[in-house]
Amino acid sequence: DTVLTQSPALAVSPGERVSISCRASEGVNSYMHWYQQKPGQQPKLLIYKASNLASGVPARFSGSGSGTDFTLTIDPVEADDTATYFCQQSWNEWTFGGGTKLELK
Amino acid sequence: QVTLKESGPGILQPSQTLSLTCTFSGFSLSTYGMGVGWIRQPSGKGLEWLANIWWDDDKYYNPSLKNRLTISKDTSNNQAFLKITNVDTADTATYYCARIEGEGIPPYFDYWGQGVMVTVSS
Repeated sequence: DTVLTQSPALAVSPGERVSISCRASEGVNSYMHWYQQKPGQQPKLLIYKASNLASGVPARFSGSGSGTDFTLTIDPVEADDTATYFCQQSWNEWTFGGGTKLELK
Repeated sequence: QVTLKESGPGILQPSQTLSLTCTFSGFSLSTYGMGVGWIRQPSGKGLEWLANIWWDDDKYYNPSLKNRLTISKDTSNNQAFLKITNVDTADTATYYCARIEGEGIPPYFDYWGQGVMVTVSS
């Protein structure tokens, strides 16, 4: 199994920049994707192939990384970004990170 | 417009077999590169990938659950299915199906259903 490790939670103020990290236990090339899940809703694709913005997603969201270390950046953060963010790899089987809950101060 | 909707029994007893259906529109599972996956999420917890099925009937399973899972499809009726045998309380979760955009590399889940809650209880 390729294990993806995320920090459990982050708190930021609106207007700030936030970086959410995802570390893979082994290299996954650029086969990393990011999803946003708001309470009571299904996950929504934000970023695919590490750095590609999904259709309709605001340009405030961006992704970077390759190999084992990946980052989702939101700049600037808005109140509506309160959610849990999951990374997911499709290089070696398919696995999800544990999720990072983003809260606004 | 791509949509997916899951359906299931709601509640079932331990040791029974869970049967889930994903009914979708806006794409075809006979189209090259297309796939459907199943993912579950216990309440308040993270996402767990279960299985994928592809346009060419190729199938992939989560190794930790492989012995209990069977994924299949009915292309003519735009449906995908997942069966989980010998369920127990640990299988209580919301189950999602999602389309896989696989014509490009790498593949990823680009559209998700709203999910269906399944409770295993005696």
